[in-house]
Amino acid sequence: AQTVTQSQPEMSVQEAETVTLSCTYDTSENNYYLFWYKQPPSRQMILVIRQEAYKQQNATENRFSVNFQKAAKSFSLKISDSQLGDTAMYFCAFMSPINNDMRFGAGTRLTVKP
Amino acid sequence: GAVVSQHPSWVICKSGTSVKIECRSLDFQATTMFWYRQFPKQSLMLMATSNEGSKATYEQGVEKDKFLINHASLTLSTLTVTSAHPEDSSFYICSARWGRSKIQQYFGAGTRLSVL
Repeated sequence: AQTVTQSQPEMSVQEAETVTLSCTYDTSENNYYLFWYKQPPSRQMILVIRQEAYKQQNATENRFSVNFQKAAKSFSLKISDSQLGDTAMYFCAFMSPINNDMRFGAGTRLTVKP
Repeated sequence: GAVVSQHPSWVICKSGTSVKIECRSLDFQATTMFWYRQFPKQSLMLMATSNEGSKATYEQGVEKDKFLINHASLTLSTLTVTSAHPEDSSFYICSARWGRSKIQQYFGAGTRLSVL
């Protein structure tokens, strides 16, 4: 079974600075999908970014980018120019196209300080 | 983007009663829906996967007689917590996958269940 590990329960960053959230996963599959989701206090899950394992190029979405290291099974999220609205829980998720279900890491609580 | 509506957002019930939570895909046909449970300050744990017109597939350790899932149409799935007890109090989240895509999942806003 696939597992997703987020080793940073909590992190904080000053507004306008850059922060990196870590995620590692374990799988024997070669093709899969990785996601970062944001869960603000409203608890609505919001997709931040996704990466297909067969793509070598790291995904980017405005201030959000990933560092995908397939051999190391690492998928970190970098948030640039942090904003107060980025304060939330961030979940890393893995999805296999074989069984199609999504597995989440334990989450990292990010606080952006003014 | 696609919208998934979950209702109710918060429900309080007495121990021993049953509670039904609805999950609707408003602007797309969801061939697959997922139900998650989230305890305070914890991650989302997959409870079951339901495909339209067929029985739900439950994760190991999830009581199928306690958590009844029905996916009767391409836009509606329901989760019924039967004979609820205080330990069933939690945050329940549904998500739906668009039929044409096997990647993107859209999440409902969640339901907070409090069993007294």
